Amino acid sequence: GQQVMQIPQYQHVQEGEDFTTYCNSSTTLSNIQWYKQRPGGHPVFLIQLVKSGEVKKQKRLTFQFGEAKKNSSLHITATQTTDVGTYFCALPSSNTGKLIFGQGTTLQVKP
Amino acid sequence: GAGVSQSPSNKVTEKGKDVELRCDPISGHTALYWYRQSLGQGLEFLIYFQGNSAPDKSGLPSDRFSAERTGGSVSTLTIQRTQQEDSAVYLCASTPGHYGYTFGSGTRLTVV
Repeated sequence: GQQVMQIPQYQHVQEGEDFTTYCNSSTTLSNIQWYKQRPGGHPVFLIQLVKSGEVKKQKRLTFQFGEAKKNSSLHITATQTTDVGTYFCALPSSNTGKLIFGQGTTLQVKP
Repeated sequence: GAGVSQSPSNKVTEKGKDVELRCDPISGHTALYWYRQSLGQGLEFLIYFQGNSAPDKSGLPSDRFSAERTGGSVSTLTIQRTQQEDSAVYLCASTPGHYGYTFGSGTRLTVV
């Protein structure tokens, strides 16, 4: 079946350092979505990537979709304490409308 | 409403009891999803409703779990004869298509 691997599982950074999380799929994707979940909160949709090689930016966040549409990354420049949380990638199931979520990368930022 | 509403926000129940969790999606959203998140874990798909189509129940972990969606709007997830391993946060999400889920705040279920 369709599998997704997200790495790293945890990342501790000093405030101001950069952070990257990676998501890899076993199959070619039509699109990929990213979500952020703050501690004690629920996942919040960040972005959807559709095109091969696509790069999108949201302030300090940069999202990339691989050329082969099998992997994606989220990069945060100059982390802040407000970036703390778990970042999930989500892949559409190959045969239905549901999303398959990666295990998430939990980011801790030391002030 | 402005967002996805779930109730109750917290539920403590005794092992063996039945529970019902409610989700009120955003008006007009045709797709509704239930996921489960155990402490510190990822999101486990449970069930998916799309319009009038038959629901995708492939994620329900056992026949103790069932869900319905009435009138294409409110959904109820029912867990019969609860077990301790059912303890988790149950999240509901809706979307007008396949773009960007809007999640509710979840129901934290504790089975004691």
